[in-house]
Amino acid sequence: DAKTTQPNSMESNEEEPVHLPCNHSTISGTDYIHWYRQLPSQGPEYVIHGLTSNVNNRMASLAIAEDRKSSTLILHRATLRDAAVYYCILRDLSYNTDKLIFGTGTRLQVFP
Amino acid sequence: ETGVTQSPTHLIKTRGQQVTLRCSSQSGHNTVSWYQQALGQGPQFIFQYYREEENGRGNFPPRFSGLQFPNYSSELNVNALELDDSALYLCASSIHSGSYTDTQYFGPGTRLTVL
Repeated sequence: DAKTTQPNSMESNEEEPVHLPCNHSTISGTDYIHWYRQLPSQGPEYVIHGLTSNVNNRMASLAIAEDRKSSTLILHRATLRDAAVYYCILRDLSYNTDKLIFGTGTRLQVFP
Repeated sequence: ETGVTQSPTHLIKTRGQQVTLRCSSQSGHNTVSWYQQALGQGPQFIFQYYREEENGRGNFPPRFSGLQFPNYSSELNVNALELDDSALYLCASSIHSGSYTDTQYFGPGTRLTVL
């Protein structure tokens, strides 16, 4: 299973942009990069995904390096509700089983 | 649209007992995956069910078993509970279509404590 590496924790002030990095040097050509986040006392929730091109949605942006060995999740204006553990995941569809391989994620703290 | 629900919310068992956890999929979803999340760790894949059959399994012993019903709801059964089974058990539903972009939607989890 391809692995991802993320910093254990990051801090931000409210209203500021946040850049959450992820390294995935063993990524294969067909692996999609997914980001989920887990708010306190909740199950993980989908944030965004991409393959090669940068992606934007209402929650965040995903910037993918040209060699695809790293990516960055961008929260344009952090709010207190964005405090969560953010997981960078390579979507594994080998053997027709769609499983998510979670690492330990990055715990984001947002200060008022 | 109803999201993924799980029951019970919390559960306390003693070592050696058996437990059944339940999950109701999001409407229209035909695939259920189960994950175990130990304290301070990311979720670990247990297994997945599609069309009422196991469709992939993680590194968990056979005493972890499951079922998927015709209405796509699911159960996770754990026999001979061990102390290390104490964790948050998460259920996720999705639509199996072969697409890499199928999103898994998670329930709030069941917190199992084994004493």
